Amino acid sequence: DAGVTQSPTHLIKTRGQQVTLRCSPISGHKSVSWYQQVLGQGPQFIFQYYEKEERGRGNFPDRFSARQFPNYSSELNVNALLLGDSALYLCASSPGQGKVVGTFGSGTRLTVV
Amino acid sequence: AQSVTQLGSHVSVSEGALVLLRCNYSSSVPPYLFWYVQYPNQGLQLLLKYTSAATLVKGINGFEAEFKKSETSFHLTKPSAHMSDAAEYFCAVSDRGGGGNKLTFGTGTQLKVEL
Repeated sequence: DAGVTQSPTHLIKTRGQQVTLRCSPISGHKSVSWYQQVLGQGPQFIFQYYEKEERGRGNFPDRFSARQFPNYSSELNVNALLLGDSALYLCASSPGQGKVVGTFGSGTRLTVV
Repeated sequence: AQSVTQLGSHVSVSEGALVLLRCNYSSSVPPYLFWYVQYPNQGLQLLLKYTSAATLVKGINGFEAEFKKSETSFHLTKPSAHMSDAAEYFCAVSDRGGGGNKLTFGTGTQLKVEL
């Protein structure tokens, strides 16, 4: 079975631009969470989605948004990019909302210049 | 609010020596605790988890951790380090029974294994 798939693996954007990152969960998993990992730090929780509804949000500005589709895949959008948004963005999927442990994808490395 | 503190951002051991990575947690409710490993340019791989069953938890690749409530600790150990263990290790905490996938991570410990 395929694991959690994230695309693209790397991208470079300019300050002020917008970016969309994509995540495909493990087949049968209905919950997707997003994390931001700045270089040298631990991952920070951004969002959790379950059954296409937002079920949790971390301490991130409104420039960050996400959604989950009927097939349980998810997109993370970041508007008005700042240099500080440069990070590894990780997606984790799990079978359901109550299942704490998620399986992580390999991430998308975003560089803002 | 929950948090974890990882003591030592860098740990260096000789191949074959004991690995000890320290993690202390803070939680107002009984926590779930986790250790993850991250190799360069990769995502996070779960090593082991504590969810209130046995206090000594065995994980993959020979790692284990012991939950000590009195010390609010969940240190990761491995009896004999291997070169392939060189990576970054993260301790994480989550609410017991709440909030699904929300994990709060520590700042990580970079493990170096020397010949």
